Amino acid sequence: AQSVSQHNHHVILSEAASLELGCNYSYGGTVNLFWYVQYPGQHLQLLLKYFSGDPLVKGIKGFEAEFIKSKFSFNLRKPSVQWSDTAEYFCAPNFHSGSARQLTFGSGTQLTVLP
Amino acid sequence: GAVVSQHPSRVICKSGTSVKIECRSLDFQATTMFWYRQFPKQSLMLMATSNEGSKATYEQGVEKDKFLINHASLTLSTLTVTSAHPEDSSFYICSAGGTGNTGELFFGEGSRLTVL
Repeated sequence: AQSVSQHNHHVILSEAASLELGCNYSYGGTVNLFWYVQYPGQHLQLLLKYFSGDPLVKGIKGFEAEFIKSKFSFNLRKPSVQWSDTAEYFCAPNFHSGSARQLTFGSGTQLTVLP
Repeated sequence: GAVVSQHPSRVICKSGTSVKIECRSLDFQATTMFWYRQFPKQSLMLMATSNEGSKATYEQGVEKDKFLINHASLTLSTLTVTSAHPEDSSFYICSAGGTGNTGELFFGEGSRLTVL
């Protein structure tokens, strides 16, 4: 069965530190990959997405993610975090065996950036 | 991006009553909407897929008689929690799809249900 795993439940960083949040999935077929962010008190927003092509995708606010097919991973990165990046981050694959737009959400990673 | 709006954002009700939550796509038509439930400090769990003009598809373990879903138009889906109990207290979120089969999902702001 398909699944998604986010290894870090809570990450605490100081401003300007580099960020990498792990996301691994288990599925043998084609998969589209999304990262969503939920800022405090706000609804989920799309950070970036991968469908095909260049495995290194860039999203909003300086975030990027790299799809490594051999490792079934889609880790999220940012070279230098800001206090405003404090939020919860969800990795969400779309496994093609299900509904075309149905996403499976990871457990989420709470990022706290200290000023 | 497209806008999805939920109403109410917060609702408190007594045990045994029913509560209706609305999900609207404000600037696009959505033949499919999704309803999620989010427990504190946990991820979103898909409850059901709402299809315009037809019956909703429920995920395993979700009681369809408990969580009634109606998708009567291309811009509105409703979730009714019937005979609510305290364990139904949660954060309910809807989403609707963008263009194409694998397009981005747009999320509502969520509805916090508290059952006393």
